[in-house]
Amino acid sequence: GAGVSQSPSNKVTEKGKDVELRCDPISGHTALYWYRQSLGQGLEFLIYFQGNSAPDKSGLPSDRFSAERTGGSVSTLTIQRTQQEDSAVYLCASSPHGRGGYTFGSGTRLTVV
Amino acid sequence: DQQVKQNSPSLSVQEGRISILNCDYTNSMFDYFLWYKKYPAEGPTFLISISSIKDKNEDGRFTVFLNKSAKHLSLHIVPSQPGDSAVYFCAASQSRYSGGYQKVTFGTGTKLQVIP
Repeated sequence: GAGVSQSPSNKVTEKGKDVELRCDPISGHTALYWYRQSLGQGLEFLIYFQGNSAPDKSGLPSDRFSAERTGGSVSTLTIQRTQQEDSAVYLCASSPHGRGGYTFGSGTRLTVV
Repeated sequence: DQQVKQNSPSLSVQEGRISILNCDYTNSMFDYFLWYKKYPAEGPTFLISISSIKDKNEDGRFTVFLNKSAKHLSLHIVPSQPGDSAVYFCAASQSRYSGGYQKVTFGTGTKLQVIP
């Protein structure tokens, strides 16, 4: 597609449930990033994928968070046993290489109740 | 530890006047700086950037100034227009990051309101 597509746009889930957030990057972009923005916070880096290299998972806040990128394209961010502090807007971005030029998706607003 | 700080959460400016958004950073290894603009319900979009070898970069109504000694950068919008009303994020990266890619660190954002 023309831009980075994220789904769902909004997700409300009960505490303790698992959620999956999807990101469809721009075709041909080899680099994919996940960020999140909690209320009153900046954009917090979560994870980075580049081609077939091992992902940089250094930003994942706990082992309840995981992400995968299948076939170098679509990525799924999974949060297990969600907690209220996981409520945030989760943003995906892609770039044609690893050196900037991010294009962001519209984000998934996750609310854990 | 907030390495990129935007101390003003909001700013109101009259249409036609100058908007100045400020940003401070603490990591002296940062050598590339960006500004992103974000409208509600949309992802951030790239606005303008500056490399540490420069102290000014201009693109139309938008100018970014970098003061490396003060670890400070600012975005000037002249003249401000109502369509500029958005949240502006300052961001910084280290081009020689050990991971070999440009890991960008974002500030908390400043909400700009341009009053008609």
